[in-house]
Amino acid sequence: DAKTTQPPSMDCAEGRAANLPCNHSTISGNEYVYWYRQIHSQGPQYIIHGLKNNETNEMASLIITEDRKSSTLILPHATLRDTAVYYCIAPPRGTSYGKLTFGQGTILTVHP
Amino acid sequence: DGGITQSPKYLFRKEGQNVTLSCEQNLNHDAMYWYRQDPGQGLRLIYYSQIVNDFQKGDIAEGYSVSREKKESFPLTVTSAQKNPTAFYLCASSTRQGNQPQHFGDGTRLSIL
Repeated sequence: DAKTTQPPSMDCAEGRAANLPCNHSTISGNEYVYWYRQIHSQGPQYIIHGLKNNETNEMASLIITEDRKSSTLILPHATLRDTAVYYCIAPPRGTSYGKLTFGQGTILTVHP
Repeated sequence: DGGITQSPKYLFRKEGQNVTLSCEQNLNHDAMYWYRQDPGQGLRLIYYSQIVNDFQKGDIAEGYSVSREKKESFPLTVTSAQKNPTAFYLCASSTRQGNQPQHFGDGTRLSIL
């Protein structure tokens, strides 16, 4: 897996955009970047993934730099329910049926 | 709704006892996985299966066993040989297409009495 680095914690005010960075400078050309989040005592929830183009879905946007060495997950209007641990991972290509290596992630706290 | 169902949500095991954790999915996914998560830690892969009647060991398979007799089901048995079984167990599934994400159940928390 490409090594990913995330800040251990971030804060965000409710209603504002939450921008969560991830560094993956060793990513290879065919490795996707995936984002998951985990709320306490629940299973990880898939958010979004991308290869090199920016992606958007109903939950979030993913911005990947042109050199693919970093990405940012954007929650456009954070709510208190978005408080969770956010994981950025970049598994080797072809291992969607292999293991996912989750690191420590970023603890996002959304406050009123 | 399509999804992954893990049961029970909480499970208690006595010393020397085997216990089986259930995982069922109705997403028509070929691949299924079991992970273990310890407090404050990331996920570690126990076993995975890419297709019915086939499964592979992950990083921490010792003390665990699995079966994959049906596409929808991938039960995990925690045997008495697993000396530190207290953990949060997560089941996931995915298609076998190279870039598709894994989707997770809500987990089973196993504790030793």
